[in-house]
Amino acid sequence: AQTVTQSQPEMSVQEAETVTLSCTYDTSESDYYLFWYKQPPSRQMILVIRQEAYKQQNATENRFSVNFQKAAKSFSLKISDSQLGDAAMYFCASSELQGGSEKLVFGKGTKLTVNP
Amino acid sequence: DTAVSQTPKYLVTQMGNDKSIKCEQNLGHDTMYWYKQDSKKFLKIMFSYNNKELIINETVPNRFSPKSPDKAHLNLHINSLELGDSAVYFCASSQDRTGRGSTDTQYFGPGTRLTVL
Repeated sequence: AQTVTQSQPEMSVQEAETVTLSCTYDTSESDYYLFWYKQPPSRQMILVIRQEAYKQQNATENRFSVNFQKAAKSFSLKISDSQLGDAAMYFCASSELQGGSEKLVFGKGTKLTVNP
Repeated sequence: DTAVSQTPKYLVTQMGNDKSIKCEQNLGHDTMYWYKQDSKKFLKIMFSYNNKELIINETVPNRFSPKSPDKAHLNLHINSLELGDSAVYFCASSQDRTGRGSTDTQYFGPGTRLTVL
């Protein structure tokens, strides 16, 4: 079974600064996907960024980018120019194919605080 | 025109009652899911359905019974509610993965906070 580990329960960053959230995973699959989801206090789960494991190029979405190290099974999220609205829980997840259906395996989350 | 919707958003009930949470998606996706988020914010899959067929049942007590009347709806019925069932329940949907490069991102509903007293 897959596992996803987020070793930082909490992180803080100054507004306009850069912060990196760590994630490691363990999988036996050769074709999988990795995701970062954001959960603000409204509790809505919002997709931040996704990475296909077969792609070597790191995914980017505006101020969000990942550092995907496949051999090390590491998938960190970098947030540049942090904004107050980035404050949220961030969950790293990997997809696992089971019985022909995907399921997401989540890490325990990192609570990000953005200080003005 | 919400993509994945859930009703109700809040549900407060007594132990022993039976309750249902409804989920609908208008994305045309083939697969729907139920996830449970516990008090420590840990998210874990409960079920997945593909075209009304149960695919994943993740060792959930049989008091929980998902029902999919059509591929756009996946409801969760819970019998004999217990204190430990208090959590936030998320519905999600995705398209099937048809091969490399296909979109299989899961889109989540707003969640239903269930409180059992």
